Amino acid sequence: RKEVEQDPGPFNVPEGATVAFNCTYSNSASQSFFWYRQDCRKEPKLLMSVYSSGNEDGRFTAQLNRASQYISLLIRDSKLSDSATYLCVVNPLYNTDKLIFGTGTRLQVFP
Amino acid sequence: NAGVTQTPKFRILKIGQSMTLQCAQDMNHNYMYWYRQDPGMGLKLIYYSVGAGITDKGEVPNGYNVSRSTTEDFPLRLELAAPSQTSVYFCASSYRKGLGETQYFGPGTRLLVL
Repeated sequence: RKEVEQDPGPFNVPEGATVAFNCTYSNSASQSFFWYRQDCRKEPKLLMSVYSSGNEDGRFTAQLNRASQYISLLIRDSKLSDSATYLCVVNPLYNTDKLIFGTGTRLQVFP
Repeated sequence: NAGVTQTPKFRILKIGQSMTLQCAQDMNHNYMYWYRQDPGMGLKLIYYSVGAGITDKGEVPNGYNVSRSTTEDFPLRLELAAPSQTSVYFCASSYRKGLGETQYFGPGTRLLVL
């Protein structure tokens, strides 16, 4: 089983739609979780950290479900500019120097 | 601040050639990392460093070498290029380890080995 698994997509949604991605992780002791955004042929950039209580940043909401070992990202009122690949990233407790990156979920928002 | 910078942006190598990918950061970060990203794959850690003079292997170190003589610079050396090293290479840095740490990435170097 991969340490971090994501549906590669693509998710094709119209502007204004709500879309959600899930990501599962295998190490139950993992402590830190993030969503990074990567535009085509660009570097990854931090979108948001994922806290145990869930957190929201504008149109973006991240949730953590420890019992089922997954994190989610919800995007409301999708914009064309949200088109990108969203990387699920986990910091396993066993080695906090390193991050484990998922392969990403591609989102395409169309007019 | 320029953040994390990488040179070159793109390079074509012949099999067996050598090259150094440059990475520099001006944020006074202790931690620096080298990743490679193959199409449809997640980022794989090649090497990382927790401070000047200290480096350690990541998940895929074979065929690469690194050094960290200063806080700012973390070059990646390919000694004998092979087609399997065709990839996009990202350098990243972070201030400290710990929960909730953010990594800042450079713009990447695209390497093609023919």
